[in-house]
Amino acid sequence: KAGVTQTPRYLIKTRGQQVTLSCSPISGHRSVSWYQQTPGQGLQFLFEYFSETQRNKGNFPGRFSGRQFSNSRSEMNVSTLELGDSALYLCASSPGQGGQPQHFGDGTRLSIL
Amino acid sequence: AQSVAQPEDQVNVAEGNPLTVKCTYSVSGNPYLFWYVQYPNRGLQFLLKYITGDNLVKGSYGFEAEFNKSQTSFHLKKPSALVSDSALYFCAVRGRTGTASKLTFGTGTRLQVTL
Repeated sequence: KAGVTQTPRYLIKTRGQQVTLSCSPISGHRSVSWYQQTPGQGLQFLFEYFSETQRNKGNFPGRFSGRQFSNSRSEMNVSTLELGDSALYLCASSPGQGGQPQHFGDGTRLSIL
Repeated sequence: AQSVAQPEDQVNVAEGNPLTVKCTYSVSGNPYLFWYVQYPNRGLQFLLKYITGDNLVKGSYGFEAEFNKSQTSFHLKKPSALVSDSALYFCAVRGRTGTASKLTFGTGTRLQVTL
């Protein structure tokens, strides 16, 4: 079974631009979650989507948004990029029931110049 | 709000010795608990989980974890460490209802296994 695929793996942007990251979950998984990982703040939860609906949301500004498509693929968008948005963005998928573990992609490393 | 504490930034152990990586948690109600491992430039890999039942949970690569409800702990253990176990380890908790159902991670513990 193919794992979680995140594209692109690396991205360089400048301040003020916007960016869209993509995540393809494991086949059959209906839940997709996004996390931001930085050396200073660690792993922080952004949001979770289940069957195209946002089920949970972390404490990030409205510049961070996401969506999920009917095939469970998900995108995350960050507008008006700031230097502090430089991070590894991780996507994780699961069947959706609470006890099931999330399976992570290798992430998109976003660098803001 | 739920939280996870990993009190040690780094754990050093010699190959062949037992290892323990500590984790305590706070959540409303009964928790789901997880351990993940991260290698450089990779995502997190699932090691093991506690849902209910036996307090000792066995996972991948010889790792196990002990759930202690009274101490709200879920320490990761391995009887004999390998150099290849050197990585960053994350403990995570998930509540069972509502907003608590999001996965909350600890800050991570770097495990260094030396010859």
